Formats: sequence, structure tokens, C-alpha cells
Amino acid sequence: AQKVTQAQTEISVVEKEDVTLDCVYETRDTTYYLFWYKQPPSGELVFLIRRNSFDEQNEISGRYSWNFQKSTSSFNFTITASQVVDSAVYFCALSEASRDDKIIFGKGTRLHILP
Amino acid sequence: NAGVTQTPKFRILKIGQSMTLQCTQDMNHNYMYWYRQDPGMGLKLIYYSVGAGITDKGEVPNGYNVSRSTTEDFPLRLELAAPSQTSVYFCASSYMGTDGYTFGSGTRLTVV
Repeated sequence: AQKVTQAQTEISVVEKEDVTLDCVYETRDTTYYLFWYKQPPSGELVFLIRRNSFDEQNEISGRYSWNFQKSTSSFNFTITASQVVDSAVYFCALSEASRDDKIIFGKGTRLHILP
Repeated sequence: NAGVTQTPKFRILKIGQSMTLQCTQDMNHNYMYWYRQDPGMGLKLIYYSVGAGITDKGEVPNGYNVSRSTTEDFPLRLELAAPSQTSVYFCASSYMGTDGYTFGSGTRLTVV
């Protein structure tokens, strides 16, 4: 069974628009971590955020914000006032304490920010 | 600090050839990982290691082998390369398994 679902394969928005990337996860563990990574066109993978299962506080970092809701098993990522440099593939990921904390990735959402 | 260094960056192999993808990190991280990334499929874990001398299989280990003789190095060996192994390979490391990973820049491998 797929553990992390990113239903949006590809999204295009015009620069300065807000955009939300959805992530739904599945786990039976009570202790787990959720992550977001960014992969720009250059190909490297950049860590953005980690959230543990006991901390449901939303987080904001500049134009980026994350909404963690255990009730819906979701960990969504919002970019406010998007910029062309935000164009990338974004991966949501999950690690579970019962599985040696190995990170399992979703298939990613390709985000195009149009000038 | 160099972080996680992967070599080579690109490689073309013929079917049946073997090669080793090198990965080294200078952050004294205990945990190291190998992932492959196929188009539209996200990243799949091949092998991982929680410390020197300890390795374990991930989701897609067939056709690969690893070793971890030192904390710094975690090479990935491809034996008898097959076209299905055409992919981009990423090595990653973390101090604790629950930390965000630091990834290398990747190796693009083509098997023809």
C-alpha cells in the first residue's frame, strides 16, 4: 500500500499566486515523521522541513507554510506569492519508527511558476 | 564541509557490465542511504546502513550490493547491469534516522 500520496502530479500557476501542494500519508505508527523536499531543475534534493507526529502546530518559514492535520492524515505545503524560482518538483515523505525510520517518498508534484 | 559526495556524476554501462557508485560523507553521520529515482516515480530506497558494518535492504535491493566498512563511505555495487537499472541514483546521510537527510548530487546511470 502506498504510504505517501501526492495526488497532484503537475501544477502550473502564475507568478505571485498562492499554491498549495497536497500530501496524504498512511501509517499505523503513533511515532512518525513527515518531510518535504524540493528538487529544482538542477536535480539536487533540498530538505525543507521535518515534522514529528506529536507536533501538529503549523509552521511558517518566509513564504512557505505547512499545515499538518492528523485527523485527515495530511501534511500540506503552501507557497505564498509564488516566484519563478519556486519551480521544482516537491516531494512529501514519511518515516516510521517501526520501520527503522527509513524515509519513504511520495511520487512528487511538479510545480511550474509562470512569469 | 563537502557534505555528501557522489562519483561519478554520469555513466553509461553496457548490459552485463558491473560498476561501483561511490558515496562519501564528511559529517560523521551514522545513517547512510541509497535511493534510485525513476521518472514520475519518486525515490525508492535500495539499501541503507545505520552504522559501519551494518547494512540492510530497502524496497528495491535486487541487482545491487553495498558495504559499509567505514562511517564515511557507502559504495553501491551493480553486478550484471540491466536496462531496468537505468536511473538517477542518490546517496544520502543523516546523523539520526529521524533527521532530514543530506543528499548527494546524484549519479545518472544509463544501461544500454
